[in-house]
Parts: sequence; C-alpha cells; structure tokens
Amino acid sequence: AQSVTQPDIHITVSEGASLELRCNYSYGATPYLFWYVQSPGQGLQLLLKYFSGDTLVQGIKGFEAEFKRSQSSFNLRKPSVHWSDAAEYFCAVGAGGASGTYKYIFGTGTRLKVLA
Amino acid sequence: EPEVTQTPSHQVTQMGQEVILRCVPISNHLYFYWYRQILGQKVEFLVSFYNNEISEKSEIFDDQFSVERPDGSNFTLKIRSTKLEDSAMYFCASSRSGIQPQHFGDGTRLSIL
Repeated sequence: AQSVTQPDIHITVSEGASLELRCNYSYGATPYLFWYVQSPGQGLQLLLKYFSGDTLVQGIKGFEAEFKRSQSSFNLRKPSVHWSDAAEYFCAVGAGGASGTYKYIFGTGTRLKVLA
Repeated sequence: EPEVTQTPSHQVTQMGQEVILRCVPISNHLYFYWYRQILGQKVEFLVSFYNNEISEKSEIFDDQFSVERPDGSNFTLKIRSTKLEDSAMYFCASSRSGIQPQHFGDGTRLSIL
C-alpha cells in the first residue's frame, strides 16, 4: 500500500541549530516526492520536489532534501534554522492515477518549534 | 505569483444542510484537486478532476460529495447533506500538468453544528 511516514510528531530546535525532518515512503513505482510547509491558518506551501536525477534537491528558504531509494527516505534538512521556520512540515508522495492526475499521499506532519 | 483562491475562509453550517465550497485555481492550470484535513490529522485526498470529469476519488468521496467546474475559472466542491464528521479544513489545489507540483489554496474551514 502507498504510504508516507513521518516518525517525529514534534521537534524543537534552537534558532541557528541544524534541522533534519524524517520522511519514509512506501510506493511501488518511481516516487514523486514533495515537502510542504503549513503555517498556522495558512495553506500548504511547496518547499521542494523530487522527480528524478540528482538525489539532493534544493528548495526555497534554504531547505534541501535527499532522496535515498535504498532507505525509502526523503529527509528534509536545513543547516541553520530561523525563528520564522516554526510551522508544520508535510512530506508527500504523488501517486499516479487516471488521465495523468497525481493524488498526493501525505504524512501526518512534523510540528517544528524554534527556541530563541 | 499566481495563487489558488478559496472562499469562504470559514463556513458554519447546520447538519443536514448543503454546502458549496468555492475555489479559483491558477488560470493556466488544467488539473484540479480537493483535499481535506480533519483537525489534528493528516491531509487526505478527496478527488481529482481533469478535462471536465473526475479522474479519481477516494472512499471518503461518497454520493454526498460532488465537484463541478461551472465556468472557466471556478472549481466547486458540494456536500449535499452535511454530517458532523464533515467538519474539517478543505483545500483546493491545482497544477499545470499532472506531474507538476500542486499549488494549494489557504483552505476553507467547514464547521458543522
């Protein structure tokens, strides 16, 4: 079955510290992978995506993620966290359907708290 | 940057009433989606729509739900007879092609009393 697991429900880091958010997926074909961020009361904003090619992908706001097929993982990283990064982060896999549509299967999210 | 727009931002409705949630996707996008997020839970796929027809729907999307693209700009989700368990945040999304990343609106919070 297709699924996405984010093992960490909450993570707290100090401002300026590095960050890694974990994501594991289960998908039979080549995965299309995404990280989205959701600030309180807001919609989902795309941070980065992986379709193919270079397994280290760069995104907005200084985020990057690495696709590791052998580990079925797509972990999100940032070298130095800013207070404004406090939000909920969702990993998703795009599952192909009819007519070329792709439904997204989301993980349960990781809520990031940043200490000043 | 173009955005997906959803209205209203918050809808309060009595159980059993019909509700229509409205979305204006990005203008050159061709693929449209609805998702929902029950408070404290993950975002769940409801339905995808392309070429004026449903491409895929989840088991959540039963006969009480319908979608429509009534004109060239709007994309609506209708719940015919709302239930308490329909209370959730509903997100509309669109993409230019199936494989391109989906752009999400800010959502409509639906509260069923």
